[in-house]
Order: sequence, then structure tokens, then C-alpha cells
Amino acid sequence: QQQVKQSPQSLIVQKGGISIINCAYENTAFDYFPWYQQFPGKGPALLIAIRPDVSEKKEGRFTISFNKSAKQFSLHIMDSQPGDSATYFCAASSPGTYKYIFGTGTRLKVLA
Amino acid sequence: GAVVSQHPSWVICKSGTSVKIECRSLDFQATTMFWYRQFPKQSLMLMATSNEGSKATYEQGVEKDKFLINHASLTLSTLTVTSAHPEDSSFYICSARDSGLAGGQDEQYFGPGTRLTVT
Repeated sequence: QQQVKQSPQSLIVQKGGISIINCAYENTAFDYFPWYQQFPGKGPALLIAIRPDVSEKKEGRFTISFNKSAKQFSLHIMDSQPGDSATYFCAASSPGTYKYIFGTGTRLKVLA
Repeated sequence: GAVVSQHPSWVICKSGTSVKIECRSLDFQATTMFWYRQFPKQSLMLMATSNEGSKATYEQGVEKDKFLINHASLTLSTLTVTSAHPEDSSFYICSARDSGLAGGQDEQYFGPGTRLTVT
């Protein structure tokens, strides 16, 4: 119940295309859902985050869509660029614990 | 703002020795820091929650006597891998939560990671 399932494991997108990564969870107590970007040999960097009371959040080319009833959320990267090639992790946390449960990661490659 | 540093960025040690990794919040105070471990091409696995002035809370399956955590100040947490063995070789990453954030603000800021290789 503490797992966060992430798909796909890897993704190849043409430059200018839309990259879509999906996550699903079981624990309805989760109330914070961030997305992180990680380059090889580096620590994760926060991209965007959402709470269940919002169905969509957009920051620049990054959008989170959240479906509370389905217990699913997704990251959309619009106009994908080669510089977006990285591993993306979704995560979830419960109120007050501040502990993150990470998804398994998606390796994104954007072709020039 | 919200910068977290780690030192060293990489370390090689011999089997049986101990290694200390530092995690610092540079421009904010952090009563709570977290230590993660990441194997190649895998996700981040939470090892322990480090609380300033109190004992760390370890996740199930993490040996507290092997991975010693000390959170002596609001800006520094250390992870010591004792009697390291080759299977301890991994990428260790810390994160910190800004104590100045109101309750319900859950952002964590991650350090750049420390690559540990035990020979």
C-alpha cells in the first residue's frame, strides 16, 4: 500500500513532442505528490508538485494532471527538448511524515 | 535559495574501514533531513530520517549500527558507514526540509549525492 507505481520504465520522444509519465498509488493518505528530475551522477531536482485538491498544475513546459478518484497522477512535458533527457521520479508523502515514497523512475530520451 | 551540499562528492575506501558523509543546508535551517541510497539505474530508497537533537529513525531493514546518523545542528547531518564492505558501494543522497516552512509544506531539497566505492 506504500508503493508508488511508475510507468513507463523508459521513453523515447522526438524533439518538440510531448512526454507523458504516469504514476499510481494505493494509499489514500498521501497528500503531496512531487516530480523530480535527475541527471546521471547528480541529486534529484524538484520540477513541480501537486496536492489532491487540484486536478492540474502547470509550470512552464511541465504539467501535472491529478485524478484523485483513480489515484493516478501524470507528468506532461510539452515541447520536449534534448536537454530534458534525464530520469524522472514521481513521489508521494503522507501528512506530517514528510517522508517520500518514490516511484521506480522513467528514463526519458529526447531525440534531436 | 534552498541549497543542500554534500561532502565528499565521491570516496573510495577499503573494506572494513568507516566513511563519514556530510550533508549541509546552506541557506536554511533543517530540523529534519533524510538519507537515501540509490543503486545504479534504480530508484531512491529512504534509509533514515534524521532529526536535529534526537535519534534518527531508520527504515525497516536498515542496520542502525552500520549506518550511524548524527544531526548535531540545524544545518548539518552526517552519515557514517561503519566497517564498509563492497556491497555498501552506492550513491548516497541526503535531502532536507526547510524548518521555516509552515506545516503542510512538504518540499524537500536534495543534495548532489556522494558516490561511495568500497574496494
